Parts: sequence; C-alpha cells; structure tokens
Amino acid sequence: AQKVTQAQTEISVVEKEDVTLDCVYETRDTTYYLFWYKQPPSGELVFLIRRNSFDEQNEISGRYSWNFQKSTSSFNFTITASQVVDSAVYFCALSDSHGSGNTGKLIFGQGTTLQVKP
Amino acid sequence: KAGVTQTPRYLIKTRGQQVTLSCSPISGHRSVSWYQQTPGQGLQFLFEYFSETQRNKGNFPGRFSGRQFSNSRSEMNVSTLELGDSALYLCASSSTGTGPETQYFGPGTRLLVL
Repeated sequence: AQKVTQAQTEISVVEKEDVTLDCVYETRDTTYYLFWYKQPPSGELVFLIRRNSFDEQNEISGRYSWNFQKSTSSFNFTITASQVVDSAVYFCALSDSHGSGNTGKLIFGQGTTLQVKP
Repeated sequence: KAGVTQTPRYLIKTRGQQVTLSCSPISGHRSVSWYQQTPGQGLQFLFEYFSETQRNKGNFPGRFSGRQFSNSRSEMNVSTLELGDSALYLCASSSTGTGPETQYFGPGTRLLVL
C-alpha cells in the first residue's frame, strides 16, 4: 500500500535557524511523483514543489531546498534561515497513479507544524 | 489566472441535513479532486472528476457524492450529515488530467455540523 510518513508532528525554531522537515514514502510504483505543500492558518494548500521518481537531483529555490533520495525513500525539505512567515503546516504527498494514468489522488502525510519564533 | 475558488467558505449545519459545496477550477483545468481534512484523519481523498465523469473515489460512504459540469465546475454533496462530517473540504484542480499533475488547491469550505 502507498503511504507517506512525516514523523515530526511539530517543530519549533527561532528565526534564522535552519530546519529540515522529513518525509518518507512507500510505493510499489516505479514511476511516481512527490509533492510538498504549505498550509498557512488561512487553510489553503499552497504548492511548493513536484518531483518525479526519475529525477534525483536536489533542488533549491531561494531559502527552500529539497533532498530526494530514492534509496531511502525520502524526500526531505529544508528551510534555510527560517522566518516567522514560514510558520505553517507542511505536507508531503505522493501521487497515486497505480503505475499508469492519473487517478487524481494524492496521498498525504500527517503534516508537520512548523513554528518559527521571532 | 484566477485560482481555484470554493463557495461557501463557512457553513454551519445540523445533523441530518444535507449540504452542497461548490468548486470552480482554474480556467482551462479539467480535473477536479475533493479532499476532506480533519484533525484526526488528516487529508483524505474523496473523489476526482474529469470531463464530467467520476474517475476515482476514496473510501467514503455513499452519503458523499459529487458531480462535474461541462464548464468543469464541480459540486460535492453530503446527505444526512453527521457530527463527524465537520471538516475542512478542499478542492483541487489540475489541467489535462493525464499523468500525475500538480494539483492546485482552493481555500476550502469549513463545515461545522451541530
């Protein structure tokens, strides 16, 4: 069965600290996609990144970076020099494609609540 | 482009009533998925519509239903509401619906069942 695990329920850091959010996934598909979303208090899920299973290059976007390691089935997210505005719930998600086609279904982890204190 | 819109944003109902939630996808997007978010169960997939057809369904009772119109707008209906249906209902749209595409989410509808 496909599954996403975000073991860290809550993380609290002080502004300017670096923080890494962990994501471990399980899937039998050889082709799959992984996502990170941010959910601020307003409730809307904001898309951050999509990565397919064939692209293991790390990605950096400003203060955000992602480390995809297929060997350990992990897709971790690091925020460098955190800011108060980064406070939110962060979700890692896995596409449920059953090996082919699109089912329009994402499997989400339980989310990690990040609190950045000034 | 305007983002995904959902109406209403907040809703209070009583047990036994029914409710209809609406979702307008990003212009040009043809796939709409619905999710339920609760503190206990997290984000769970309800169903997905593409070209007016339900393409996939999550593990929810038949009280949860949906439909999609020719303009890709979608509605979901919950009949005979139960207290446990209180949740944030999120809809998401993606463009062509072929291959695992990025889903863009709306602000959600917060439903409270009393």
